[in-house]
Amino acid sequence: AQSVTQPDIHITVSEGASLELRCNYSYGATPYLFWYVQSPGQGLQLLLKYFSGDTLVQGIKGFEAEFKRSQSSFNLRKPSVHWSDAAEYFCAVGAANAGKSTFGDGTTLTVKP
Amino acid sequence: GAGVSQSPSNKVTEKGKDVELRCDPISGHTALYWYRQSLGQGLEFLIYFQGNSAPDKSGLPSDRFSAERTGGSVSTLTIQRTQQEDSAVYLCASSYPGTAQYFGPGTRLLVL
Repeated sequence: AQSVTQPDIHITVSEGASLELRCNYSYGATPYLFWYVQSPGQGLQLLLKYFSGDTLVQGIKGFEAEFKRSQSSFNLRKPSVHWSDAAEYFCAVGAANAGKSTFGDGTTLTVKP
Repeated sequence: GAGVSQSPSNKVTEKGKDVELRCDPISGHTALYWYRQSLGQGLEFLIYFQGNSAPDKSGLPSDRFSAERTGGSVSTLTIQRTQQEDSAVYLCASSYPGTAQYFGPGTRLLVL
């Protein structure tokens, strides 16, 4: 069965500081991996996705993530956080033949001025 | 439309009433998903459609919950005899098979 673990429930960073949100997955084959962001009162917006190829993927809003098969990880990074990045972030793993994606429980990001 | 739309955006109902939630997926997306998100919680998978069929209904919490999809497009999630624990945001997403899901804004359901 597929599963996703986001070890950090809540992270606080200062504006301008770098950010890394952790995601570990369990999946029996090559996974499809996703990061979504949810601002308060909003739906989920896709930040980036990994299907195959280059293990470092670039997304919107200056985010990137690196797929590390040996560590079963897909951590999200941003070099310099902006106050508008405060939101909840979800990592998800999916199947190549469609079907549901499994989501982590989310990490809430707070940005200090 | 350009994105996934859901209606109503908010719904307040009394315990015991039935409610219907609607999802209009992105045109051409054959896969459609329903999730539930309770306050401060992650996403709980409810049901997945491929075309008009639902190969995975494993997440429906009880037989009070049902969903259908017609014409490979619009989907309706029905909750019968609503209970207070049904209060949540119900999110719909659509995709091409095996690709990223695109989410609607959700329907906020409050059962009094």
